Amino acid sequence: AQRVTQPEKLLSVFKGAPVELKCNYSYSGSPELFWYVQYSRQRLQLLLRHISRESIKGFTADLNKGETSFHLKKPFAQEEDSAMYYCALRGFMYSGGGADGLTFGKGTHLIIQP
Amino acid sequence: DTEVTQTPKHLVMGMTNKKSLKCEQHMGHRAMYWYKQKAKKPPELMFVYSYEKLSINESVPSRFSPECPNSSLLNLHLHALQPEDSALYLCASSQESASFYEQYFGPGTRLTVT
Repeated sequence: AQRVTQPEKLLSVFKGAPVELKCNYSYSGSPELFWYVQYSRQRLQLLLRHISRESIKGFTADLNKGETSFHLKKPFAQEEDSAMYYCALRGFMYSGGGADGLTFGKGTHLIIQP
Repeated sequence: DTEVTQTPKHLVMGMTNKKSLKCEQHMGHRAMYWYKQKAKKPPELMFVYSYEKLSINESVPSRFSPECPNSSLLNLHLHALQPEDSALYLCASSQESASFYEQYFGPGTRLTVT
């Protein structure tokens, strides 16, 4: 079975401080990992995915297969980063081709204090 | 048009009612998804459609009946629901069902079963 663990329900940091949102996963194959973000009163949207190896809004995440982790980091937090962050995994669970939907972690509510 | 739209935004229904949720996208995506999100919980996958065929049903009770009449539309027919089915129902789409494609989420339909 595949599982995503986000150990922190809530993370509060001051503006300008570094941020790290933890994500660990359990999956027997080669998963695709994503970070989704939900700002207040907005729809869930993709922040970044490991396959792209890109930086979005100053956030980066590196897949560490040895530690089965995909932590989200930003060196200097901004107030507009306050949101709910979900780590998600997608893998080939079923035979017959095609991947299944996303398995989400429970989410971390990030609050950036001024 | 780069959005997934969902109607209605809110729905209140009794346990004996029959209602439908609608999801639409005009991005040419061939994979569409239904997720259920309870308050303060992450989205949970219900169904996956790939090329208008149901490819995954995550053991969802038969009182939820999905339908994909064409590549742009996804419906979720509801009948004899229970109060515990009250939740935010999210629709998503992606270019294909392969794991690395981004899923675009709609704003959701907030369902209350009385």
